[in-house]
Amino acid sequence: KAGVTQTPRYLIKTRGQQVTLSCSPISGHRSVSWYQQTPGQGLQFLFEYFSETQRNKGNFPGRFSGRQFSNSRSEMNVSTLELGDSALYLCASSLGPQGGKNIQYFGAGTRLSVL
Amino acid sequence: SQKIEQNSEALNIQEGKTATLTCNYTNYSPAYLQWYRQDPGRGPVFLLLIRENEKEKRKERLKVTFDTTLKQSLFHITASQPADSATYLCALVPPGTASKLTFGTGTRLQVTL
Repeated sequence: KAGVTQTPRYLIKTRGQQVTLSCSPISGHRSVSWYQQTPGQGLQFLFEYFSETQRNKGNFPGRFSGRQFSNSRSEMNVSTLELGDSALYLCASSLGPQGGKNIQYFGAGTRLSVL
Repeated sequence: SQKIEQNSEALNIQEGKTATLTCNYTNYSPAYLQWYRQDPGRGPVFLLLIRENEKEKRKERLKVTFDTTLKQSLFHITASQPADSATYLCALVPPGTASKLTFGTGTRLQVTL
């Protein structure tokens, strides 16, 4: 099975712009989660989508949004970019609740640099 | 507030020794605790999962313990090899079917010859 695919791998934007990141989950996985990883804050949960519905949300401003399509693919959008948004954005897929285990399968990430 | 702590300093050990990494948490009652490995420039990879009612779990050279009284998990790599050098993250999963994971900041392990 192919793993989680994230595109693009690298992105350079300027302050005030917006960006859309894409994630294709492992075939059969219906849950997609997004995380932001920075050296100072570590891996922080952004949101989770399951069957096209946002099921969980982290503590990020409304500039961060996402959606999931019927084929489970997901996109994440960040509007009005700030310098502090520079980070590695990771997407992870899972089968779903799995009785609470929620094992995450991560993509390689999109490295976003905001200048 | 909920807090997960892992040693922020890198752990340097010699090849063949046992590496022990610590994950402590406060204000949290996880149903599961997971350990992941992350290599530079890559996403984390799932290694092991332990339930709240389990004391210990093993997989090949890996061993995880979970003490809900101490609110601590220990992750051991026996007979460590240079290829084990990576950052190791613990993640807590709360009870419930719609559960979001909370990750620790990770500990970098460096295994030298």
